Amino acid sequence: GESVGLHLPTLSVQEGDNSIINCAYSNSASDYFIWYKQESGKGPQFIIDIRSNMDKRQGQRVTVLLNKTVKHLSLQIAATQPGDSAVYFCAEMLAGNQFYFGTGTSLTVIP
Amino acid sequence: EAQVTQNPRYLITVTGKKLTVTCSQNMNHEYMSWYRQDPGLGLRQIYYSMNVEVTDKGDVPEGYKVSRKEKRNFPLILESPSPNQTSLYFCASSSHSPDTQYFGPGTRLTVL
Repeated sequence: GESVGLHLPTLSVQEGDNSIINCAYSNSASDYFIWYKQESGKGPQFIIDIRSNMDKRQGQRVTVLLNKTVKHLSLQIAATQPGDSAVYFCAEMLAGNQFYFGTGTSLTVIP
Repeated sequence: EAQVTQNPRYLITVTGKKLTVTCSQNMNHEYMSWYRQDPGLGLRQIYYSMNVEVTDKGDVPEGYKVSRKEKRNFPLILESPSPNQTSLYFCASSSHSPDTQYFGPGTRLTVL
C-alpha cells in the first residue's frame, strides 16, 4: 500500500506560538490532500485541503503548504490555542475515492 | 443536523459470530467509506463506494464485506470476525470526489 508518513509523532508548543506539522507522501500521482484533526473519542474532523495544482492554501489560522518536488505537505497553525491540542492526520487521495492516511502527530499546547 | 451515524458505538463479540455495523448519512452524499484505526497505524481504508451498487476495495478489505443498496446507508459486515479485527471503525461520506469527508463518531469493536 501507499505510505504516508509524519516526521514527528508528538509536538509540544507554547500557547500563542505557531505550530508546524509535517507529512511526507510517496505517490506522485496523488492529486488531493487533506489535513484532519482528531480529538480524543471523536472522529476525524476536516481542517483544510489542497489540490495538487496548488502549493499553498490558507484558512482561518491554518495554512497548508504542498511541495510536490519532494512530496511533502505541512500544516501551519498560527497562534496555537489549547483547543488545538489533538492528533493531526494528513491524507492523500489517489484515483476515485481511495485515501491513504498518515499515522498522526499528537499536538500538545502548553498554557 | 447534517451527520454520519454509526451503530453500535461499542461492541464486544466472539470469534466467528457474524456482525454488522451500520452507517447512515443524511447529507445525500454520493461517496462513502469505511476505515479502521489502530494505534501506530493511523486510519486505513477498508472499502469505499462511489454510488449505489458501486463498491471498491480499499487498502485492507480482507475479512470484510459492504453493500450499498441505498444512497444513505453503507453497512460493514464481518462474516466471521477474528481477534485481529479488534479495532476502532469509522464511516465517512462526501458529496463528490475529491472533497472533504465527514466522519461518524466511530465504533469500537472487540473480538474475543
